[in-house]
Amino acid sequence: EAGVVQSPRYKIIEKKQPVAFWCNPISGHNTLYWYRQNLGQGPELLIRYENEEAVDDSQLPKDRFSAERLKGVDSTLKIQPAELGDSAVYLCASSLGLAGAYEQYFGPGTRLTVT
Amino acid sequence: KNQVEQSPQSLIILEGKNCTLQCNYTVSPFSNLRWYKQDTGRGPVSLTIMTFSENTKSNGRYTATLDADTKQSSLHITASQLSDSASYICVVSKGSQGNLIFGKGTKLSVKP
Repeated sequence: EAGVVQSPRYKIIEKKQPVAFWCNPISGHNTLYWYRQNLGQGPELLIRYENEEAVDDSQLPKDRFSAERLKGVDSTLKIQPAELGDSAVYLCASSLGLAGAYEQYFGPGTRLTVT
Repeated sequence: KNQVEQSPQSLIILEGKNCTLQCNYTVSPFSNLRWYKQDTGRGPVSLTIMTFSENTKSNGRYTATLDADTKQSSLHITASQLSDSASYICVVSKGSQGNLIFGKGTKLSVKP
C-alpha cells in the first residue's frame, strides 16, 4: 500500500513569490494534517481536515497561507507571498480518524527554502 | 501550558551500546504517548503508542516506558546500530480530540 505522497520534495523560491505543496493521503484516511517543521524542532500543526472540512486551522497564518482539500482526498497548501521565515519542511500526515485514537502516517515532506 | 520536554537535545554513542532518551510532559488531559523516529529528510515514523494504563511497550530493540503519575516517559535503545541515527520525537495526545503535542526531539548519532 502506498504511503502519504507529497510533492515537490524540494522547492527554492525568492521571497514574495507564491508556492504550493500537494499531498495525497493514504487511501481511506479521512483525517489529513499539514505541519510545519523548523530545523531542530518538532512538527507544528498548521491545519487539520476531517474529510473536506477544516476542523482546526487555528495555527494557520491566514494572511498568507491557505489550504484546500477538495473532494476530501488530496490537499494543497499554498503560501502567497512567501517570506524568509517560511523556510521549513512542510509535512503532510493522514490517519483513519482523530490522531488521538488512530495511528498517524507522515509523508516525506517538502523542504522549502525562501531566498 | 501543555508542553513536551525531551532530553538530551543530542546524543552520540558507539555502535552496539545502549542508550535512553527522556521525555517529560505537562499535557492534560492525557490520552496517549507516542515515540517517533525521524530519519534525516524523511517524515516521522511511529515506534510505539502507550495509553494511560500501559507502562512499557517494546518494538524490536526499542522499549518505551511510561510513568503517568510523574508524567515521564523514556525510550531505551538496545544494541544500537548505525541505522538508529535519527531524531526521536516524543508526542503526547491531548484529550478526546487527540490534539498532538510534539517535543523538539533528541538527535541520536551512532558512530562505528
